[in-house]
Parts: sequence; C-alpha cells; structure tokens
Amino acid sequence: AAGVIQSPRHLIKEKRETATLKCYPIPRHDTVYWYQQGPGQDPQFLISFYEKMQSDKGSIPDRFSAQQFSDYHSELNMSSLELGDSALYFCASSPRGGGAFNEQFFGPGTRLTVL
Amino acid sequence: DQQVKQNSPSLSVQEGRISILNCDYTNSMFDYFLWYKKYPAEGPTFLISISSIKDKNEDGRFTVFLNKSAKHLSLHIVPSQPGDSAVYFCAARGGADGLTFGKGTHLIIQP
Repeated sequence: AAGVIQSPRHLIKEKRETATLKCYPIPRHDTVYWYQQGPGQDPQFLISFYEKMQSDKGSIPDRFSAQQFSDYHSELNMSSLELGDSALYFCASSPRGGGAFNEQFFGPGTRLTVL
Repeated sequence: DQQVKQNSPSLSVQEGRISILNCDYTNSMFDYFLWYKKYPAEGPTFLISISSIKDKNEDGRFTVFLNKSAKHLSLHIVPSQPGDSAVYFCAARGGADGLTFGKGTHLIIQP
C-alpha cells in the first residue's frame, strides 16, 4: 500500500540558509500535518492543511511557512535556519471525510542538520 | 508542560509474556487517543486508537484501555513477540488537528 513520501530524507544546511521539505500524502488523503521531533523529544505539531488551506497551527516558528498544493502535496519552507532547527521533520496525512477521528499516517521523516 | 506523559523511558519484557505500556494525560479536552510504534529511521506507525466514549478497544494482540477518571490509558500486547521491540508513543487529540505526543517508551522483548 502507498505510504506518505517525504523528500529529501536527509538534508544538511548552514546557519542562516533556507530549506524546503516536501511531503506527498497517501492517495485520497486531503489533510497534511507537519511535526518536528528534536533529539530525545516527542514529536511537536507544527501546522496542518486541509484542502489546500491552513487548518490548524501549533508551535511553528515565524521563520517557517508551509503550503499545500492542488495535488495535495505540501512543502515546509524554513528560512534563517538556526542550530536548534536540527531535528527530524515528519509529515503525516489523513482522510478528512470520516470526521475528526482519523488516524494520522506518518512518513519516514526528513532529518535536517544545521551546521 | 507535558500534557501526555509516558513515565517509563524503557521496558524490558520476556517473549511470550504480556507487555503493558502506560500513559497519563492532563488535558481534559482530549477525546481521542492513539498508540504509535516507531522503528529507527522510520516514521511512527499507527497501532490502535480509542475514543473517549469507550474504555477498551482490542485489535489482535493489542488492547488499549482508557480510564477517563484517572486520565490514564494503557496498551497491552499479548503475547509479546521479538518484532514488537520498538519505541511506543502515546498520542492524544482534542479539538485541534495536531496530536500531542508523549516522549515514548522503548520496549525491548527479550528471547
């Protein structure tokens, strides 16, 4: 079965650079979520999109932005990178049609290292 | 402030025995709870969930119990198998889109 695809899987950037992470949800899933997991930490919710519109916002820094495109894939744009942005970034998707009680299916994550 | 707490960073269980992973939460607005399993270098994989209107949900070897008055839930795995060795995350949801995760429990199944 198709799963959530994230690219790249690994990314190394310098401080103050920008990074773009991509997420391709499971087919027919219209809702995408982004999470950040720091070393030894639990995943923290950043932002979500439903039908190409921002649905909910968590602890996403102002330096980050995201969007969902017409094919439902999503991109997380990160600017002025800081050392503390080094983390595993997960994307998850779910079908919204079933209501609020939908499991979120996670991708393998993108490991971002900021030097 | 950690709203979902998994107080055991690790748990070691013998193969064939029961594994019990515990999770406590503080936010009364949470109305849906999930357990995820995570292997190294992979994303969390959904295991089982429970709505706050239920107190038990069973799926094969996995059973989740919810005690709303105690704000406590547990995941039982019976019998435990070597492939169950992984990090288990408890997650909760209440109104908002994002899941609130615990810090995870590393389950080790010993042969």
